[in-house]
Amino acid sequence: DVKVTQSSRYLVKRTGEKVFLECVQDMDHENMFWYRQDPGLGLRLIYFSYDVKMKEKGDIPEGYSVSREKKERFSLILESASTNQTSMYLCASSLGGSRRYEQYFGPGTRLTVT
Amino acid sequence: AQSVTQPDIHITVSEGASLELRCNYSYGATPYLFWYVQSPGQGLQLLLKYFSGDTLVQGIKGFEAEFKRSQSSFNLRKPSVHWSDAAEYFCAVGAGAGNNRKLIWGLGTSLAVNP
Repeated sequence: DVKVTQSSRYLVKRTGEKVFLECVQDMDHENMFWYRQDPGLGLRLIYFSYDVKMKEKGDIPEGYSVSREKKERFSLILESASTNQTSMYLCASSLGGSRRYEQYFGPGTRLTVT
Repeated sequence: AQSVTQPDIHITVSEGASLELRCNYSYGATPYLFWYVQSPGQGLQLLLKYFSGDTLVQGIKGFEAEFKRSQSSFNLRKPSVHWSDAAEYFCAVGAGAGNNRKLIWGLGTSLAVNP
């Protein structure tokens, strides 16, 4: 079974802090994704990566950056956390080609920024 | 513009009753369609997918979905619901090409199951 793990289930940070969310997958997937999930807004894609050191902006990249130095690890960085970044963050991974749509998700990190 | 609509925000059914969750999409080409489920406190899990061929597709946990091109719909069904099916259900369409492939998500339908 594919396993996607996220470094924390719950995280509380203060406004202005730099925040790192880590995601690791164990199935050699090319693609990795970061989403945020908010009530009434569904899932929104922040960034994705289709290869090591490659990254593409999703629908809401503002205020975020990412890093993919190794194939299995994809990090989401909040350079200066703000209260409007309080959310559930979901990481996902997938194979390439049309299998890209078959995404495997981690359990999520609920981030609260105070 | 590409979009996915799940008309029902919240549905409650009794255990053992049948279930149908609605999904309508707007997409110019032949769509790749998906249903994902998110159980409480967990990440999303792929339930089933439609790429081509038979318009009735079977998935995990006893779910099935039917693609109807004429209605731009991909409704999810289950003949007899179990209490463990209480979850959030998301419909999605695969869009884009090459390295820009991404999922367009519906807003989800929350399913509650009465004992």
